[in-house]
Amino acid sequence: QKEVEQNSGPLSVPEGAIASLNCTYSDRGSQSFFWYRQYSGKSPELIMFIYSNGDKEDGRFTAQLNKASQYVSLLIRDSQPSDSATYLCAVSDTGTASKLTFGTGTRLQVTL
Amino acid sequence: GAVVSQHPSWVICKSGTSVKIECRSLDFQATTMFWYRQFPKQSLMLMATSNEGSKATYEQGVEKDKFLINHASLTLSTLTVTSAHPEDSSFYICSASGPPSYEQYFGPGTRLTVT
Repeated sequence: QKEVEQNSGPLSVPEGAIASLNCTYSDRGSQSFFWYRQYSGKSPELIMFIYSNGDKEDGRFTAQLNKASQYVSLLIRDSQPSDSATYLCAVSDTGTASKLTFGTGTRLQVTL
Repeated sequence: GAVVSQHPSWVICKSGTSVKIECRSLDFQATTMFWYRQFPKQSLMLMATSNEGSKATYEQGVEKDKFLINHASLTLSTLTVTSAHPEDSSFYICSASGPPSYEQYFGPGTRLTVT
């Protein structure tokens, strides 16, 4: 059974700091990796996706993928209180239209 | 980005009744739609995958006769919870995927409470 593991948190960081969110996955055949943000009572919204080893940057967000270690992370620079949410890691064994396996999410709290 | 809507956003029903939830892709053609369920403080669990015009593929442990999925057009999929019971109370979320990007766009979710 495919598993995606995340620390449930909460991860507390001060405003302006870097938040580092981590995720490990069990299926070595996984090919696509996604980070979603979910506010309480709302549905997830896609932040970033990454397919290749290395870093991918989009604004304040950087996704990092290491397939050999089966590890994917999300860095949030200059964290804002509005970033406070649960961050879900999801993996797929093919492209974006494939089934996603979600982790349980890490709750991030950005404090003033 | 693409917009996916769900209706209703919340529903309360009595035990033993059936509830239908609609998922619509508003500005793109969704060749594939996914239905998820999320219990409090848990992650999203995929229930089924449906392709337009085909029968849905259900995940292990999901009762196909209880959760009826219809994907009759490229913009609409429905999930019917038949003979609902209190343990079916959950947050049901659909997502839609289609050309050209094939990303999964999530609907806002439907909160079902069965009394």
